[in-house]
Amino acid sequence: EDQVTQSPEALRLQEGESSSLNCSYTVSGLRGLFWYRQDPGKGPEFLFTLYSAGEEKEKERLKATLTKKESFLHITAPKPEDSATYLCAVQPIQDFNKFYFGSGTKLNVKP
Amino acid sequence: EAGVAQSPRYKIIEKRQSVAFWCNPISGHATLYWYQQILGQGPKLLIQFQNNGVVDDSQLPKDRFSAERLKGVDSTLKIQPAKLEDSAVYLCASSSGLAISEQFFGPGTRLTVL
Repeated sequence: EDQVTQSPEALRLQEGESSSLNCSYTVSGLRGLFWYRQDPGKGPEFLFTLYSAGEEKEKERLKATLTKKESFLHITAPKPEDSATYLCAVQPIQDFNKFYFGSGTKLNVKP
Repeated sequence: EAGVAQSPRYKIIEKRQSVAFWCNPISGHATLYWYQQILGQGPKLLIQFQNNGVVDDSQLPKDRFSAERLKGVDSTLKIQPAKLEDSAVYLCASSSGLAISEQFFGPGTRLTVL
């Protein structure tokens, strides 16, 4: 069964055009939700961890938020260098040795 | 600080052949992970080590895949024999401890099975 669903699959933005990426999850108990950035030909790079509903984390133009069933990655005034695939992963509270990744959102920011 | 090292970066083999991948984690990191990432999908956890012991290998196809982490540092992942559906990027990651959220990934090994 799908544990993590990310939408949209792909997103094309103009430079400066803010938007949000969505990550919804179906695990019954969440120990942690993680956001990673992946550039072509490279491994994922850690961005944020969120643990509880209502929590927010920020880094430069990125802000991650968490509710009971989904997380959003808000991108404010993106630049071309923000182009990458953004991956979401969840860690169930019942089995915290497991990490389930979504398929990612491929973001393309055009100058 | 040096990152996670993996080799080779690329490998092309025929089906039914064997292949091995090597990973050297960040110095001092006790936990090591192997993931399989098929094109267009997110990484799928295959096996997790804590030092030289296996913590979880429930998603490792044990009829053809094996992994070891001798001396709790470097690790190798082997596929024998390979199938067409094994074509993917194999990622190694490490973290400072069990269930620590920040995992550091290597660049991966891209495997093509013909």
